[in-house]
Amino acid sequence: EAGVTQFPSHSVIEKGQTVTLRCDPISGHDNLYWYRRVMGKEIKFLLHFVKESKQDESGMPNNRFLAERTGGTYSTLKVQPAELEDSGVYFCASSQLGGGTNEKLFFGSGTQLSVL
Amino acid sequence: DQQVKQNSPSLSVQEGRISILNCDYTNSMFDYFLWYKKYPAEGPTFLISISSIKDKNEDGRFTVFLNKSAKHLSLHIVPSQPGDSAVYFCAALRINSGYALNFGKGTSLLVTP
Repeated sequence: EAGVTQFPSHSVIEKGQTVTLRCDPISGHDNLYWYRRVMGKEIKFLLHFVKESKQDESGMPNNRFLAERTGGTYSTLKVQPAELEDSGVYFCASSQLGGGTNEKLFFGSGTQLSVL
Repeated sequence: DQQVKQNSPSLSVQEGRISILNCDYTNSMFDYFLWYKKYPAEGPTFLISISSIKDKNEDGRFTVFLNKSAKHLSLHIVPSQPGDSAVYFCAALRINSGYALNFGKGTSLLVTP
């Protein structure tokens, strides 16, 4: 069974440019999450999809970030325009039952974003 | 307003001995606590969890202890193996606030032969 796949694994862009990150969850997982880890800090929740609907987007930093999950399969996270403080590792995770309780979240390997 | 804190950024333990990783939290309303393990260039992987109504959960070499009055939990690894060397993240969840996990900053464990 394929795991959570994220693309690209690394992205280096200049301040003001646009970047789009992609996440393919495990097949059949309705729940998809985006998290971000800025260097030296904790992993922070960004948002949660249930199928194609945004269940919780309370962690999105500002309106420069736009997440979509058309058709309830893969998701994209666009940053436009990127700022220096957006640098970090962006993780995607998926789960079947919508938990984070005893049900595991399966994380992708992350996209390392560097904004110069 | 970090609600989950791991105050030890690193820990070094000899192979075969016990590793104890600590985690403190501030929100008494958390329902579940989880530990994730992360290797370099990989995403975190789920290790073990505990409900807030329990005080201990065991899975093989891994045991998590919860002390609600102290708002403290710990992960014990016995015996420690070199393959356990990784970053360990403590996380907490409050179901009524959605399913967002609140993570600590992580503790880097090194198990030496």
